[in-house]
Amino acid sequence: AQKVTQAQTEISVVEKEDVTLDCVYETRDTTYYLFWYKQPPSGELVFLIRRNSFDEQNEISGRYSWNFQKSTSSFNFTITASQVVDSAVYFCALSESGGSSNTGKLIFGQGTTLQVKP
Amino acid sequence: NAGVTQTPKFQVLKTGQSMTLQCAQDMNHEYMSWYRQDPGMGLRLIHYSVGAGITDQGEVPNGYNVSRSTTEDFPLRLLSAAPSQTSVYFCASSYSFGVSYEQYFGPGTRLTVT
Repeated sequence: AQKVTQAQTEISVVEKEDVTLDCVYETRDTTYYLFWYKQPPSGELVFLIRRNSFDEQNEISGRYSWNFQKSTSSFNFTITASQVVDSAVYFCALSESGGSSNTGKLIFGQGTTLQVKP
Repeated sequence: NAGVTQTPKFQVLKTGQSMTLQCAQDMNHEYMSWYRQDPGMGLRLIHYSVGAGITDQGEVPNGYNVSRSTTEDFPLRLLSAAPSQTSVYFCASSYSFGVSYEQYFGPGTRLTVT
């Protein structure tokens, strides 16, 4: 069965610290996609990144970087030099394949609440 | 483009009342879905649609109905609200039915059932 685990429920850091949010997933599919979404205090869900199962290259976007390792079924997210505006709930999600039974659904982790203090 | 819109933003219902949460998108997306978000549980899929006239159940469909008469609209109906349906509801859409497409989420509807 597909599953996404974000073991860190809450993380608190001081501004300018680096922080890594962990995401571990389970799937039997060979083709799948992994996502990260940000949910700021205003409540909307903001798409951050999509990564397919065949692309293990790390990605960097400004202060954000993602480390995808199939060997450990992990897709971790690092914020460098954190800022107060990074305070949010971050969700990791898995999109299953499943061929004809594909529901297209996103399987979400429980979320990690990040608080960045000034 | 307005993207994905949801109405209302907030709603309080009494147990047993019915209501419809509205969702619309103006991106001509084929795929639309409804999720509910509960504390500590992430988001869970309620119902989804791969195109006008086609709907199917997700992970937690009980107590909810959907229909898709047009590409743009995907309303979620609560027939007889229960306190267990107190949650934040998100509608999402994506270009097509497949694993590679980003899903765009609406702003959410916060529902309280007393």
